[in-house]
Amino acid sequence: DGGITQSPKYLFRKEGQNVTLSCEQNLNHDAMYWYRQDPGQGLRLIYYSQIVNDFQKGDIAEGYSVSREKKESFPLTVTSAQKNPTAFYLCASSIRQGSSQPQHFGDGTRLSIL
Amino acid sequence: AQSVTQLDSHVSVSEGTPVLLRCNYSSSYSPSLFWYVQHPNKGLQLLLKYTSAATLVKGINGFEAEFKKSETSFHLTKPSAHMSDAAEYFCVVSDPEGNEKLTFGTGTRLTIIP
Repeated sequence: DGGITQSPKYLFRKEGQNVTLSCEQNLNHDAMYWYRQDPGQGLRLIYYSQIVNDFQKGDIAEGYSVSREKKESFPLTVTSAQKNPTAFYLCASSIRQGSSQPQHFGDGTRLSIL
Repeated sequence: AQSVTQLDSHVSVSEGTPVLLRCNYSSSYSPSLFWYVQHPNKGLQLLLKYTSAATLVKGINGFEAEFKKSETSFHLTKPSAHMSDAAEYFCVVSDPEGNEKLTFGTGTRLTIIP
């Protein structure tokens, strides 16, 4: 079955620690996205990538970093510079970036501070 | 700039009665519009999308939405609610004349009363 796999499902971060969230897709999609979800705020775009070895900042990129070395993988690192990392993180992909393209979502990673 | 407003943060209906979730959008051009559903601790699943074809769009699980340009609305409806419909619903807009990124509403939580 094609889809998006996010791991781990739950993650805890200590003060001053960087943590990396994994996102893998086997849909052969070119575009991938990372969103942050906070209660009552909908989804906000952190980073997106239209093609391998290229990525762009979204609306709330500060304190986060990404890489896109392979088409199927788009890991997100939450750095110690992100002072309020507690949230639900969602990875998504689409065939290509475009206004009419629906995005497919993984089941998310819930990050909390220890 | 594009925006989307979900008029109700919480809707409760009895099982077997109609569902109406309201969404208004703002867009500088002819937008693409989507409805997604999210069950607890899960990712978002596409219910339906509008991309300038028929104004009445049918989706999965008996849901449909009507695009009304004059009212800048894209309300989601279902004739008869089922217990499994209890979830969070997101209205999403994408403006092809803008940056083609998705803008999410803040969500409507649907509760089904047995």
